[in-house]
Amino acid sequence: DVKVTQSSRYLVKRTGEKVFLECVQDMDHENMFWYRQDPGLGLRLIYFSYDVKMKEKGDIPEGYSVSREKKERFSLILESASTNQTSMYLCASSFGGRSEQYFGPGTRLTVT
Amino acid sequence: AQTVTQSQPEMSVQEAETVTLSCTYDTSESDYYLFWYKQPPSRQMILVIRQEAYKQQNATENRFSVNFQKAAKSFSLKISDSQLGDAAMYFCAYRRAPGANSKLTFGKGITLSVRP
Repeated sequence: DVKVTQSSRYLVKRTGEKVFLECVQDMDHENMFWYRQDPGLGLRLIYFSYDVKMKEKGDIPEGYSVSREKKERFSLILESASTNQTSMYLCASSFGGRSEQYFGPGTRLTVT
Repeated sequence: AQTVTQSQPEMSVQEAETVTLSCTYDTSESDYYLFWYKQPPSRQMILVIRQEAYKQQNATENRFSVNFQKAAKSFSLKISDSQLGDAAMYFCAYRRAPGANSKLTFGKGITLSVRP
């Protein structure tokens, strides 16, 4: 089975801190994605990557950056966390153009 | 831009009954995929069912089936013989095809509760 893991289930950070969210997949998937999920808004794509060192902006990239140095790992970075970045963050991966996306368990981030 | 609309935020169904969750989408593409994802309270999102737009036959997976109406841009999910474990948030999603890096567009989701 495909396994997508995220480094933390719950995280509490202070405003202005630099925050790293890590995602690892074990199925050699080319594509990896970061979403945030907020009540009433569904899932919104922040960034995605279709190859090592490649990245593309999603619908809401402002305030975020990403890093993909290895195929299995995709990191989301909040350079200076703000309270409006309090959310659930979901990572996903997929193989090729026909495959569905597989999701990690999510990280509930609270910025105080 | 593609949009996905789930107009009902919540639904409830009696155990063992059938329920239909609605989804509409807007696209100018002719080739695309549609998905229903389930997110139980534990938060791990899992795929329930997928439909390729070029296929006329509606997809089915055990108790889950879809009613895909391409002309009407409608993609509803039917859950038969509802079980307590079906209680979750359900998201409808669209993806343009082909393309390895084409992204998913999600609806806002619907919370389904199952009454014992």
